[in-house]
Amino acid sequence: GEDVEQSLFLSVREGDSSVINCTYTDSSSTYLYWYKQEPGAGLQLLTYIFSNMDMKQDQRLTVLLNKKDKHLSLRIADTQTGDSAIYFCAESMDTGRRALTFGSGTRLQVQP
Amino acid sequence: NAGVTQTPKFQVLKTGQSMTLQCAQDMNHNSMYWYRQDPGMGLRLIYYSASEGTTDKGEVPNGYNVSRLNKREFSLRLESAAPSQTSVYFCASDRLGDSPLHFGNGTRLTVT
Repeated sequence: GEDVEQSLFLSVREGDSSVINCTYTDSSSTYLYWYKQEPGAGLQLLTYIFSNMDMKQDQRLTVLLNKKDKHLSLRIADTQTGDSAIYFCAESMDTGRRALTFGSGTRLQVQP
Repeated sequence: NAGVTQTPKFQVLKTGQSMTLQCAQDMNHNSMYWYRQDPGMGLRLIYYSASEGTTDKGEVPNGYNVSRLNKREFSLRLESAAPSQTSVYFCASDRLGDSPLHFGNGTRLTVT
């Protein structure tokens, strides 16, 4: 079955690094995504990683993928108050039904 | 470039009333989706349309119907609203294949 899990809450101080973790169960995932949701808004794609990669870096964002453990993480360097939001990981699978399965989201609170 | 546009932004219904949530995208995307977002549960797929003329059930289709009116528009209908359908509804679209989802800003629906 499909199941994506995340911790619900993370609090960090401004300037520190944040690490948001995600585990998934379906080994046939093709892409794994990180989305950001600010209050009252839709989800905005932050970054994604193809399943045959183990790391992707994009400015302050680093995505690490451990396929063996089915573990995905998002590291935000030099976290800013504007990074406060809910972060969702999602997986897509190479099946007939093309739709993303989302985790329940991690609320990141950045303290000044 | 509007992206994905949803209307209305907010709606309050009484139990048993019906309504249609509208969604349109101007990115020439083939696939469109309806998700609902509930606290602590992430996003759950209601229905999706892989291409114009086709629709399929997602994870939580009961109580909903959809229409893919043309390539741009995908509507979600509640025939007889129930309090359990109180939620934030998101429409999304993508090109096809493993391309990222683009989300609208959501419709916040309350059923009393």
